[in-house]
Amino acid sequence: GAVVSQHPSWVICKSGTSVKIECRSLDFQATTMFWYRQFPKQSLMLMATSNEGSKATYEQGVEKDKFLINHASLTLSTLTVTSAHPEDSSFYICSARTSGRAPTGELFFGEGSRLTVL
Amino acid sequence: DAKTTQPNSMESNEEEPVHLPCNHSTISGTDYIHWYRQLPSQGPEYVIHGLTSNVNNRMASLAIAEDRKSSTLILHRATLRDAAVYYCILRFGNEKLTFGTGTRLTIIP
Repeated sequence: GAVVSQHPSWVICKSGTSVKIECRSLDFQATTMFWYRQFPKQSLMLMATSNEGSKATYEQGVEKDKFLINHASLTLSTLTVTSAHPEDSSFYICSARTSGRAPTGELFFGEGSRLTVL
Repeated sequence: DAKTTQPNSMESNEEEPVHLPCNHSTISGTDYIHWYRQLPSQGPEYVIHGLTSNVNNRMASLAIAEDRKSSTLILHRATLRDAAVYYCILRFGNEKLTFGTGTRLTIIP
């Protein structure tokens, strides 16, 4: 199956700093990528939908100025958590949809990036 | 959005079949039924999806009720590696996936 890779897999940072997480589709072109956040023992919560070459669409309650999403190419989307605080500590997961697959087909998920803000 | 209802948790013995139920009484005619699973500390993984007919793949089988108001994911022979949270999700076309709470499956050796 198609491969989606995230980097870094884990990161620890100080409060007030910014952290960038990359999501890459390794063997396919992804016109759309989705960013999720997951707190311990909870389900995945969709944060935003990222379309190549256009602005991301954020879910209600997600601060677009705090969670900057860039989808500059068909294989790379980035999520930047700006001025991170301890409450932003979470497991961030990206997902990609291929441009060539049937629209009702599977989505491919990255391994996730665990962010810990001290 | 049409919602799904799943048991919070289930247990099964290793090497036995597992039937994971999902209720979706408000499903619309164009909703596909998707199943994903999430192993500990990993991103979700696609399992199977279907519309009306039962579906089989190398991972599992999906049995869909005739009225489509419920479905069952069948793992034919559970292994310890199948221990995960299983999510049943309704999806229209290529829209985003909205995850519910899922079923935490524990496999007993």
